[in-house]
Amino acid sequence: DIQMTQSPSSLSASVGDRVTITCRASQGIGNFLGWFQQKPGKAPKSLIYAASSLQSGVPSRFSGRGSGTVFTLTISSLQPEDSATYYCQQYYGYPPAFGGGTKVEIK
Amino acid sequence: EVHLVESGGGLVKPGGSLRLSCAVSGFTFSSFGMIWVRQAPGKGLEWVSFITSTSSDIYYADSVKGRFTVSRDNANNSLFLQMNSLRADDTAVYYCARGPGLKGYEPWGQGTLVTVSS
Repeated sequence: DIQMTQSPSSLSASVGDRVTITCRASQGIGNFLGWFQQKPGKAPKSLIYAASSLQSGVPSRFSGRGSGTVFTLTISSLQPEDSATYYCQQYYGYPPAFGGGTKVEIK
Repeated sequence: EVHLVESGGGLVKPGGSLRLSCAVSGFTFSSFGMIWVRQAPGKGLEWVSFITSTSSDIYYADSVKGRFTVSRDNANNSLFLQMNSLRADDTAVYYCARGPGLKGYEPWGQGTLVTVSS
């Protein structure tokens, strides 16, 4: 099975900061990688698919990069509404594992 | 607009059964695979099961294999998860989602809470 490892598990940053979350796959997954945002009590929301493509309606301050085994999600200028937990997920094979999550807090 | 609405959650005793449903609208259901994902209280996301558009291929997480059964009714735009022999560690919010499509797994339903407790 492919394992997904996210880092850091949590971070605290100020409004306007640039924030980067890393996701590593235990084997190559091409670009079959998605990023999700989840706010408390809400369902996950897809932000990025195919490692770097933005879902419709997602602010352009979110961006994704990477292929193979290392991927990043960057928020270029952190906003108060970005306080949430972020998950990566591979969909190269089954099981389509999730990373452990990164909780982003606003200072 | 695409909508997924889960139902069927509730409180059940250990060893009991529940059947979750996911009603979909706004897209051609019979053209897409579907997944179930769960989230235990305060924990991360755990994939549970996947079913292809025609039900030709089905996968389960090891944690539910032999106890859960996924199915779908393409004529009625519905996805199901039959959960038997429930345990306390099955307590979670269960989500259905479409995919994987060209845009990964999206959208997701709002979730339904399953609580297994005596």
